[in-house]
Amino acid sequence: EDQVTQSPEALRLQEGESSSLNCSYTVSGLRGLFWYRQDPGKGPEFLFTLYSAGEEKEKERLKATLTKKESFLHITAPKPEDSATYLCAALPSNDYKLSFGAGTTVTVRA
Amino acid sequence: DAGVTQSPTHLIKTRGQHVTLRCSPISGHKSVSWYQQVLGQGPQFIFQYYEKEERGRGNFPDRFSARQFPNYSSELNVNALLLGDSALYLCASSPPDGNEQFFGPGTRLTVL
Repeated sequence: EDQVTQSPEALRLQEGESSSLNCSYTVSGLRGLFWYRQDPGKGPEFLFTLYSAGEEKEKERLKATLTKKESFLHITAPKPEDSATYLCAALPSNDYKLSFGAGTTVTVRA
Repeated sequence: DAGVTQSPTHLIKTRGQHVTLRCSPISGHKSVSWYQQVLGQGPQFIFQYYEKEERGRGNFPDRFSARQFPNYSSELNVNALLLGDSALYLCASSPPDGNEQFFGPGTRLTVL
């Protein structure tokens, strides 16, 4: 069965303190690995898609990377507005079901 | 450009009732997916529809059903509501040439 596990569950950072979030996935052939940002009570906001090991994508202070078993979301010099829950999701090659992890809740203190 | 829209925003029902949630995809998107998200967890896949046909179904009971209309909007129906159906229901649409799913703001369903 497809499985996505995120760690840590929660991360508290000081403004400017860089860190990384982990997403481990087990799917039947990976069609795509997705990162989303979700603010409380709102729908997930699309951030990145990664398709193959070694691929990297960047957006402002965020950078996502992909290996054959994991993906990392690096947050460089975070600001309080980066506080949110970050969700990782995997799409298998033989299905249309997107499997999500439980998310990492990031809190950035000024 | 308008994003995915969902209605209603909030809904309160009692056990045993049924509910209909609505979703309009981004213009040009033909695929719509539905997810259930309970507090503290990631979204769980319920259905995906493409060109009015069901293309995928998650591990949800038959009380959950959906359909897609010719204009690509979609409805999610839940019968015989249980307390455990209380959740944020999310709709997402995908472009014809991509795998990304773009989410709406969700409908918060509370079952009393």
